[in-house]
Amino acid sequence: GDSVTQMEGPVTLSEEAFLTINCTYTATGYPSLFWYVQYPGEGLQLLLKATKADDKGSNKGFEATYRKETTSFHLEKGSVQVSDSAVYFCALRNQAGTALIFGKGTTLSVSS
Amino acid sequence: DAGVTQSPTHLIKTRGQQVTLRCSPISGHKSVSWYQQVLGQGPQFIFQYYEKEERGRGNFPDRFSARQFPNYSSELNVNALLLGDSALYLCASSSGTGASNEQFFGPGTRLTVL
Repeated sequence: GDSVTQMEGPVTLSEEAFLTINCTYTATGYPSLFWYVQYPGEGLQLLLKATKADDKGSNKGFEATYRKETTSFHLEKGSVQVSDSAVYFCALRNQAGTALIFGKGTTLSVSS
Repeated sequence: DAGVTQSPTHLIKTRGQQVTLRCSPISGHKSVSWYQQVLGQGPQFIFQYYEKEERGRGNFPDRFSARQFPNYSSELNVNALLLGDSALYLCASSSGTGASNEQFFGPGTRLTVL
């Protein structure tokens, strides 16, 4: 079945450091791919998405490129801030369009 | 405009009891989905409803059921609660069911089963 694997955390960085969170997927066809962020005590927020191969999603300085050949959708940011501290989830939309399939989440902690 | 709302915020139940969680979608959204998020894990899909009909179901036992009302709000029911049902239950709404329809999540209901 469809699945998402993302790198285990926690990831601890200093402010202005470069961030990469790896995400790979297994799915039938060509699913839409997403990154969601969950701040402490809050629900999930869509961070960015890509709907087809080679698409680049971007938002708030974060980027991810849909790589069909490596079935990957790695999240990157050039300079993280303390306010980026949160849990990040990689997800895909199943072929039927009925469900989001999530990875286990990666906790990011940024210190000043 | 109000986002997705869920009630109650927190709930404590004992094993064997039944619980009902409620969700109101964003105005104009006709689809509601439910997810279970166990501590330290990603959300797991439970149900999707669209226009009051079940459109998708995840790998959950029959103790879990849901329904959607004419105003598109939804309830999730869990019978015969087990300790393992303790989780954050998330509701998400979208305007439709296609892959291009973004799902907007509510803050969740934290269920603790003792």
